[in-house]
This record gives sequence, structure tokens and C-alpha cells, in this order.
Amino acid sequence: GAVVSQHPSWVICKSGTSVKIECRSLDFQATTMFWYRQFPKQSLMLMATSNEGSKATYEQGVEKDKFLINHASLTLSTLTVTSAHPEDSSFYICSARPGPGTYEQYFGPGTRLTVT
Amino acid sequence: EDKVVQSPLSLVVHEGDTVTLNCSYEVTNFRSLLWYKQEKKAPTFLFMLTSSGIEKKSGRLSSILDKKELSSILNITATQTGDSAIYLCAVGKRGGADGLTFGKGTHLIIQP
Repeated sequence: GAVVSQHPSWVICKSGTSVKIECRSLDFQATTMFWYRQFPKQSLMLMATSNEGSKATYEQGVEKDKFLINHASLTLSTLTVTSAHPEDSSFYICSARPGPGTYEQYFGPGTRLTVT
Repeated sequence: EDKVVQSPLSLVVHEGDTVTLNCSYEVTNFRSLLWYKQEKKAPTFLFMLTSSGIEKKSGRLSSILDKKELSSILNITATQTGDSAIYLCAVGKRGGADGLTFGKGTHLIIQP
């Protein structure tokens, strides 16, 4: 149980274009999902908290107009990187919490984004 | 500012050895401490420790939370080459849906 999927697993795009990454909880409902970014040889950094049916909460220094998050259902959250630049190239990982009263998070397999 | 510090940053041992990985934290409104194993892709969940569950064990892996010292250890006994990975420590906070604050990880390499 507690499986989280991400799509795509890797993507290459040109500078200036937008990319959408999907995060799905496959066997549970997730009222809260999280988006992290991991640069090479560094740890995961929380970007934003995504709550179903409401606006995402962004961490300090993360541009909400650049990283658009939508949590349209209890099993799906999407992250759209708008007007991507090479410095946005990174490993993007989502996680999901099974529900209120639980605090462990289960991670998706990640999406490797390369912006050329 | 919340801080999670892991040590050592990297460790090389031989198969069969026992290793102890350390994690210390300074966070406001601590709720839980989590250990993850990260191989090539995303982290896989190992343990979660809270005030009501300060010791966990699964097979050769075990972990203890010391709330007084604001730290935790992850022990791996009889290590195998498959244990080679980056082990991440993360802390969750009370009071809402906050995400986790991660340490930089310990890169563990098990040599045959």
C-alpha cells in the first residue's frame, strides 16, 4: 500500500516552455501532497504544500507564479514549471500523506527535468 | 531557522559490519522524525519516530529517538551490499500540513 506515482519520469524541454508534472496517490486518498526539489548531491528541499481544493502554500524563496500547483482531487496534484530556464533543471519529487492524523509521507519516484 | 544535521556525510564499511548513522535536529514544534533510504530515485520510507514511539525495529534496521538530546540514530547490523544508499533523516512539525525538513543525508557504501 501507500504507492505514489509521478509522470513523466524524465523530461527535456526548451528554455521558455512550460512543463507539467503529475503526482498521483494510487491506493489511498491524500488531502495533502508536497513538492520537493533535489539538486545533485544535495538533500530534498520543500517547495510547496498542496492541499486538495485550496491554494498551495509555498516555501520562502519559491516563486508561486513560476511553479503552479493544482490539487484538483484527493489523488492528483500537478506541478507546472512555467517559462522554464536551465537553472530549473532538477529532480522534482512529490510526496503524499495518507490522511489526517498520519504524519509519514510516501514519495513518488521523481521527475528529472532538464531545460536546454 | 529549522535545522537537521546528519553525520557522517559518508561512510564506507565492509559487508557484515554494523553501522550507526546520526541525526540531530533543532526545530520548533517538533512532532516526528523520519528515516528514509534513497537509492537511485525517490526516498523510500523506513521509520517514523514520535514521542509515543521512540524505538522502531525492522529486520536488521533499528532506530531510536532521544528527545532529550534532540537526536536519533539509525543502526544497521550485518550490512549487505544492498544497503548501499543515501540515508535521509527528516523532521516533521506540529500544527498543520507542513512538509518535512531534511538533513543532507549519509552516503553509505558497503564493500563486498
